[in-house]
Amino acid sequence: GAVVSQHPSWVICKSGTSVKIECRSLDFQATTMFWYRQFPKQSLMLMATSNEGSKATYEQGVEKDKFLINHASLTLSTLTVTSAHPEDSSFYICSARDFHRGNTYEQYFGPGTRLTVT
Amino acid sequence: GQQLNQSPQSMFIQEGEDVSMNCTSSSIFNTWLWYKQDPGEGPVLLIALYKAGELTSNGRLTAQFGITRKDSFLNISASIPSDVGIYFCAGTYTSGTYKYIFGTGTRLKVLA
Repeated sequence: GAVVSQHPSWVICKSGTSVKIECRSLDFQATTMFWYRQFPKQSLMLMATSNEGSKATYEQGVEKDKFLINHASLTLSTLTVTSAHPEDSSFYICSARDFHRGNTYEQYFGPGTRLTVT
Repeated sequence: GQQLNQSPQSMFIQEGEDVSMNCTSSSIFNTWLWYKQDPGEGPVLLIALYKAGELTSNGRLTAQFGITRKDSFLNISASIPSDVGIYFCAGTYTSGTYKYIFGTGTRLKVLA
């Protein structure tokens, strides 16, 4: 149980183009999903909190117009990197909370998406 | 952003040895969690701790929520080669948001 998938697992795009990454909770409903970014040999940094049916909450320093988040259903959140540049190259990981488990703080993580911008 | 300090940063151990690592914060945390991340993959939840002083086991893993609520410890007994990976602690201190602050990570390498 508590499986989270991401698609694609890796993507290479040209500078200036946009890329969409999907995060799905496969066997549970998730009112809240989180998007993280991880650089090589570093920890995970929270980018934004995605709430189903409402606007995402972005962490300080994260450009909301560049990293568009849509949480349209209880099982799907998407992150779109707009006008990507090489410095956006990173490992993007999503996580989800199980809606039916009440106040649990446990997050279940997807396998990550490696984005390379050339 | 804020991060939790983990120690040690990395360690090499012999198969069969016990491993200890810790995570500290200058702030009080309400919840501590421990995750393991393999290269190129997302973190996997190992143990979650919800009360100060709580000691919880998951197989060969044991974790404790520090009494001061500013630290947590993870112990791995009788390490095996598949224990290789990066261990992250995570904590929450703002009730209602469920946001994590992640630790800096401990990279574990097990020598067979």
